[in-house]
Amino acid sequence: AQSVAQPEDQVNVAEGNPLTVKCTYSVSGNPYLFWYVQYPNRGLQFLLKYITGDNLVKGSYGFEAEFNKSQTSFHLKKPSALVSDSALYFCAVRDNSPGTYKYIFGTGTRLKVLA
Amino acid sequence: DAGITQSPRHKVTETGTPVTLRCHQTENHRYMYWYRQDPGHGLRLIHYSYGVKDTDKGEVSDGYSVSRSKTEDFLLTLESATSSQTSVYFCAMSRQGGVEQYFGPGTRLTVT
Repeated sequence: AQSVAQPEDQVNVAEGNPLTVKCTYSVSGNPYLFWYVQYPNRGLQFLLKYITGDNLVKGSYGFEAEFNKSQTSFHLKKPSALVSDSALYFCAVRDNSPGTYKYIFGTGTRLKVLA
Repeated sequence: DAGITQSPRHKVTETGTPVTLRCHQTENHRYMYWYRQDPGHGLRLIHYSYGVKDTDKGEVSDGYSVSRSKTEDFLLTLESATSSQTSVYFCAMSRQGGVEQYFGPGTRLTVT
């Protein structure tokens, strides 16, 4: 079965420090991977995606993610965290089963950036 | 949230009553999705549509039905609401399969 795991419910980081939000996946074939952010009382916003090509993907708001095929991971990173980055982050993977157009989401990681 | 809206944004209803949530998009995107968000579960797919009148079930489809009679509208119906369907419901769209989704602002549904 195809799945996504976000092993940390919450990540705390000091402002100015680098941050990492972890995601691992299990999918048959080549994965399509995504990160989304959700601010309070809002819908999810797309941050970045990996489809193919360079393993380091750059996205919105200074975020980037590293695709690691051998470790089946797609961790979200930012060199210097801001208080305004505090939000709920979701990793997602496209279900590659034939004839389907589904996406599978992780359970989310709450990022708290401390001033 | 650009180009995709949901109505109503909030609704309180009683157990056993039917409820319909509407998702409307102005982007002419082919794919549309309904998710529910619950603490500890993340987002779970209820139903999705890959074209007008073409729909398929997601992982938590029991108790829900959908309809898509035109490209821009995707309706989610709870035939007989139960307390376990209290949740925040999100609609999403994508231009084609395998690319990013764009989400609506959500509908908070409370079933008493």
